Amino acid sequence: DTAVSQTPKYLVTQMGNDKSIKCEQNLGHDTMYWYKQDSKKFLKIMFSYNNKELIINETVPNRFSPKSPDKAHLNLHINSLELGDSAVYFCASSQVPNSDNEKLFFGSGTQLSVL
Amino acid sequence: QQPVQSPQAVILREGEDAVINCSSSKALYSVHWYRQKHGEAPVFLMILLKGGEQKGHEKISASFNEKKQQSSLYLTASQLSYSGTYFCGTARLGGGAQKLVFGQGTRLTINP
Repeated sequence: DTAVSQTPKYLVTQMGNDKSIKCEQNLGHDTMYWYKQDSKKFLKIMFSYNNKELIINETVPNRFSPKSPDKAHLNLHINSLELGDSAVYFCASSQVPNSDNEKLFFGSGTQLSVL
Repeated sequence: QQPVQSPQAVILREGEDAVINCSSSKALYSVHWYRQKHGEAPVFLMILLKGGEQKGHEKISASFNEKKQQSSLYLTASQLSYSGTYFCGTARLGGGAQKLVFGQGTRLTINP
């Protein structure tokens, strides 16, 4: 069983469209994250949720809206897609909140290409 | 603040050793190491929690020098499977969640 699963794996879309990426973890973890990896491999945190509550919100445009219906799911909706949004988006989870020494379990990533 | 890794890329022959360095301009309390193979997700290698601590994973070990605000990853007798991009990360708590800030990565290529 895949621990952290994301769908879709590839997403190709036109500028201006709205798209969503879904993430589910079956590890029983309380904390989930979205990371963005650009073409230079730079991996940057976007959001973090702890048991459905938004905890970390980095300087991400308002067009990005995460939603966590329950602690096992964290989705990412992107409005009005722009060329610069093209990247690989990784979902991740960790077990214990309020800890700075937790290992992250990453999903396999969603490669978003905006044309 | 993003930690800085060096070198940016390394090419080795199988069996050779490599060292990847990670430094921060801010105080380090923990250092995380991950490896990402091409087209795959980053995978956790190890966390170093206190100054001087050394940990190992396969023939990969790491050290953490709190005073120098540095960590180094040592890959001994490298295998083809070690190829990938290695990331160090520094973590801090932000409102109850771990904020892990990664370095820019070091691409390691192992040739037969």
